[in-house]
Amino acid sequence: KAGVTQTPRYLIKTRGQQVTLSCSPISGHRSVSWYQQTPGQGLQFLFEYFSETQRNKGNFPGRFSGRQFSNSRSEMNVSTLELGDSALYLCASSLVGQGTDTQYFGPGTRLTVL
Amino acid sequence: KQEVTQIPAALSVPEGENLVLNCSFTDSAIYNLQWFRQDPGKGLTSLLLIQSSQREQTSGRLNASLDKSSGRSTLYIAASQPGDSATYLCAVRVSGNTPLVFGKGTRLSVIA
Repeated sequence: KAGVTQTPRYLIKTRGQQVTLSCSPISGHRSVSWYQQTPGQGLQFLFEYFSETQRNKGNFPGRFSGRQFSNSRSEMNVSTLELGDSALYLCASSLVGQGTDTQYFGPGTRLTVL
Repeated sequence: KQEVTQIPAALSVPEGENLVLNCSFTDSAIYNLQWFRQDPGKGLTSLLLIQSSQREQTSGRLNASLDKSSGRSTLYIAASQPGDSATYLCAVRVSGNTPLVFGKGTRLSVIA
């Protein structure tokens, strides 16, 4: 069974640009969550999608957005990039995303903003 | 607001030693607690999940305990091996439909 895949794995952008990251969940999983990981703040929750609907949202500015498609694949977009957006962006999928459901993480996308 | 703290931030031990990683959380009203492992350049792997009604969970050489009243969990690793070197993260779910809240992790190095 294929794991969670994220593309691209590495990305370099300049301030002011926008970026789109992609996440393909494990087959059959309907919940996709996104996290930002930095050395200073650790892992912070961005948002969760379930059946194409945003179910939970973290405390990030509106420049961060996401969506989920009917096949459960998800994308997140960051507009008007800032230096502080440099981070490892992790995607996690699970069957329903609640309760005791185990989250399976992808390898992440390393975003560097210059 | 739930906050999760892991101390120490880094730990180095010789191979074969038994060790304990600590996790504390500010609000004892949790739904469950999970321990994850993260290898450099990779995502997280779930190790153990403890429901709020449970006191401990075991998997192989790993044992996780939960004391809700004191807001603490420990991950015990027996007979550590170099392959155990990784960052270990603790995460709490406040209720069944809320996202995980993570600590910043403990980076473990097991020296051969």
